[in-house]
Order: sequence, then structure tokens, then C-alpha cells
Amino acid sequence: NAGVTQTPKFQVLKTGQSMTLQCAQDMNHEYMSWYRQDPGMGLRLIHYSVGAGITDQGEVPNGYNVSRSTTEDFPLRLLSAAPSQTSVYFCASRGSGRVSSYEQYFGPGTRLTVT
Amino acid sequence: AQSVTQPDIHITVSEGASLELRCNYSYGATPYLFWYVQSPGQGLQLLLKYFSGDTLVQGIKGFEAEFKRSQSSFNLRKPSVHWSDAAEYFCAVGALGFQKLVFGTGTRLLVSP
Repeated sequence: NAGVTQTPKFQVLKTGQSMTLQCAQDMNHEYMSWYRQDPGMGLRLIHYSVGAGITDQGEVPNGYNVSRSTTEDFPLRLLSAAPSQTSVYFCASRGSGRVSSYEQYFGPGTRLTVT
Repeated sequence: AQSVTQPDIHITVSEGASLELRCNYSYGATPYLFWYVQSPGQGLQLLLKYFSGDTLVQGIKGFEAEFKRSQSSFNLRKPSVHWSDAAEYFCAVGALGFQKLVFGTGTRLLVSP
């Protein structure tokens, strides 16, 4: 299993540009989510999905869109990049079923800089 | 609303000394609690988790944590720190029926020779 994969690893955007951060998992997990990590703020939830076709907002959704057309993929779209979106982005997934299996697996992250 | 507090931003420990990282949470129901470690430039790795049962939880790399409901705490401990333990440590609580994790702001551990 590759686990949770994210592409690209690094990206530089100019203000106003759009882009999509890719996230995929091969563990057949129903739950997927996107977090951003900023210094001194820990990780904050952007959007999450509880299954294909179902998404919901987290703490900091503004400026981001998501969709979930398949179980495996959960892309994050930046509509019009702003310097405030400079951050490290992590995708995570977890399975369902028994609570004791509730462990979120994280991807390696995408470091995004908006100039 | 759920929240997690890690009161120590930085901690420096001598190699071979014991370690305790503090974590306090606020959550109305039974919490699902986690500790993650992040090495520089890396993703997050799960150290241990607590769902129910024994309040002393053993994890990987020699770490353990103790859940104390009366103090709303879930402190991480290690009896003897190694230089490779230098990293950032995050405490998190599972919320919304565990559809999301709420993270603390992290504690950066420095290990001195």
C-alpha cells in the first residue's frame, strides 16, 4: 500500500492563480480530510468528506473547494490564491467501522507559497 | 467547542533524561485522544491513541501517555529521551463523531547532548 499520497510536494503560485492539490489513498477509506499547518497554530481543518459525493466544511474553508467523485481521490482546489494561503497542506484519511480502528493516516504534505 | 491546549511551545531536555509533554483538552463527550510526532519537513506519525479502557496507553518509540479525566489531560511521557526524538509533538482530540481531529498548537522538543 502506498497509503496517502499528495502531489505536488512544493508549489509556488502568484496571487490570483488557481491550482489543485491532489490527494489519493489506496486503503479504501471512507473518510478523507484536508488540513493546513501554520506556525504556532497547529493543524486546522479545511474540508472533509465522509464518502464519495459527500463533503463538508471545516474550520477554515474560505478560498478552497473540494469534491469527492471517487473513494480514492480528494482534490483541494484553490480558486484564486492569496498570500494568506501560504502554508503546508496535509491530506488525511481513515477507515470506518470499529472505533478502535479510528486512526487518521496523513500524507507527506504539500508546501505552498503564494507571492 | 472542542479544543486542545499544549501549554509549552518549546521544551529542551538533555539526552537520557525523562520527558513529559502536557496536553489538556476540552470536549463534552468521551474523548478520543491522540499524540502525533512530526519531524522537520515530514508528515505526521501517530505515536499512540486512547479510546477507552486502560488509562495508561503505550505507543511506539517507547512513548506512553496517561488519560486523566478529572484533569482533562493526556500527557505524553518517555523515561529516557534520545537525540532522534527531537521533533514537534501534537496532541489531538477526535470530534464530530470523529469526523475530524482538533489539534493543539504543538510542542517543539529540543534534545541537548
